[in-house]
Amino acid sequence: GENVEQHPSTLSVQEGDSAVIKCTYSDSASNYFPWYKQELGKRPQLIIDIRSNVGEKKDQRIAVTLNKTAKHFSLHITETQPEDSAVYFCAASIAPPGGGADGLTFGKGTHLIIQP
Amino acid sequence: NAGVTQTPKFQVLKTGQSMTLQCAQDMNHNSMYWYRQDPGMGLRLIYYSASEGTTDKGEVPNGYNVSRLNKREFSLRLESAAPSQTSVYFCASSEQQGNSEAFFGQGTRLTVV
Repeated sequence: GENVEQHPSTLSVQEGDSAVIKCTYSDSASNYFPWYKQELGKRPQLIIDIRSNVGEKKDQRIAVTLNKTAKHFSLHITETQPEDSAVYFCAASIAPPGGGADGLTFGKGTHLIIQP
Repeated sequence: NAGVTQTPKFQVLKTGQSMTLQCAQDMNHNSMYWYRQDPGMGLRLIYYSASEGTTDKGEVPNGYNVSRLNKREFSLRLESAAPSQTSVYFCASSEQQGNSEAFFGQGTRLTVV
C-alpha cells in the first residue's frame, strides 16, 4: 500500500517568516494530495489540495508544489501568523476515474509553532 | 447543515467491554471512513465504505467491525476493547472516494482501562 513520509515533525519559525513542510509518497499511481490543518483538540480541516495534473497551486499565503517524478510534494506558508500554529498533515490517495480508491494515507504530521 | 456528527465525544471502557461509535453525515456523500489518531502516528485508516452497501478494511482493522447502515450512517464497533485501542477516533466522509475533500467529525476520545 501507499506510504507517506512527512518532515519535519516539529517546525518553529518567527512570525512573518515562511514555513515549508515536505512529504514523499511511495506509490507512483497516487494522484490526489491534500493538506489538512488540525488545531489543538479540533478536527482536521482541508486547507489546500492538488491533483497530479498540475505542479503548483496557490491560495493566498498557502501554496503546494508537486513533483511527480521525485514523488514528493510540499506545503509553503508565507508571512506566517500566530493563527497558523497547528499540526499539519499531508496525505495521498489513488483515485481512478471509475472509483475504487482506498481512503487517504496520511503522513505523521508536523507541529508548526509560530514564535512572536 | 451539521456536516459529520459522531457520538459519543468521550468514553471510558474497561478491558473486554464492547461499544459502538456512531457517525452520521448530512452532505449526501457516498464515501465514509473511520480513522484513529495516536500521538506521533498521524491518522490511520481503520475501515472505509466507498458507497452504501460496501465496506473494506484499511490499514489497521484488527479488533474492529463496521456497518454502513444507510447512506448517512457508518458505525464502528469494538467487540472486546483492549488498552491498545485507546485513541482518538475520527469519522469522515467525502463525495467521491479518494479524490475529494474529506470532512471530519469532531472526534471521540476513547480510553480503555
